[in-house]
Amino acid sequence: GAGVSQSPRYKVTKRGQDVALRCDPISGHVSLYWYRQALGQGPEFLTYFNYEAQQDKSGLPNDRFSAERPEGSISTLTIQRTEQRDSAMYRCASSLGVSLAGINNEQFFGPGTRLTVL
Amino acid sequence: QKEVEQNSGPLSVPEGAIASLNCTYSDRVSQSFFWYRQYSGKSPELIMSIYSNGDKEDGRFTAQLNKASQYVSLLIRDSQPSDSATYLCAADMDTGRRALTFGSGTRLQVQP
Repeated sequence: GAGVSQSPRYKVTKRGQDVALRCDPISGHVSLYWYRQALGQGPEFLTYFNYEAQQDKSGLPNDRFSAERPEGSISTLTIQRTEQRDSAMYRCASSLGVSLAGINNEQFFGPGTRLTVL
Repeated sequence: QKEVEQNSGPLSVPEGAIASLNCTYSDRVSQSFFWYRQYSGKSPELIMSIYSNGDKEDGRFTAQLNKASQYVSLLIRDSQPSDSATYLCAADMDTGRRALTFGSGTRLQVQP
């Protein structure tokens, strides 16, 4: 079956522009997570969803960052008025989430979107 | 204060040896722990999950969890050059959210 997909894989933008990063989770996965990963570091949490509900956005750096998952499947992370410090690898992951067997939080990552802000 | 700590390495082992990777965490209520392998330029790949104290084996990999001492480790038996990668330890800090907290990773080099 298909894994997590993300698009675009690479995005180069100019400072001040808005960008939208897309994530398509594994089919049937309830939970979807956004992380940001700097070189030489582990992924850092941004926000996550169960179905269409945003459960936690405490990792979003500031109000220029927002995310949505309107139909409980595909999610979009939007960064408004991009700044050079936003340049990073943005990773999406999904997990089965809550099921009859309990909570399954094994998270599977997509290939990531490399964002470069000039 | 870093919540999940790993030695950055590199950890160098000869081919065929056992590689031992360690991780400590600060949150006593953490319930679930995961090991990811990340090749250079690639995304993290889940290789092991562990939820209970003790050992869990899967092929050449063994994860060990000791909640009293707040550490989790990964053993790789019969290490192969293809195991050379960065290994990320992650914990599900049970604070009501399901996001994972990652360590910075340990780089493993298996010498042929």
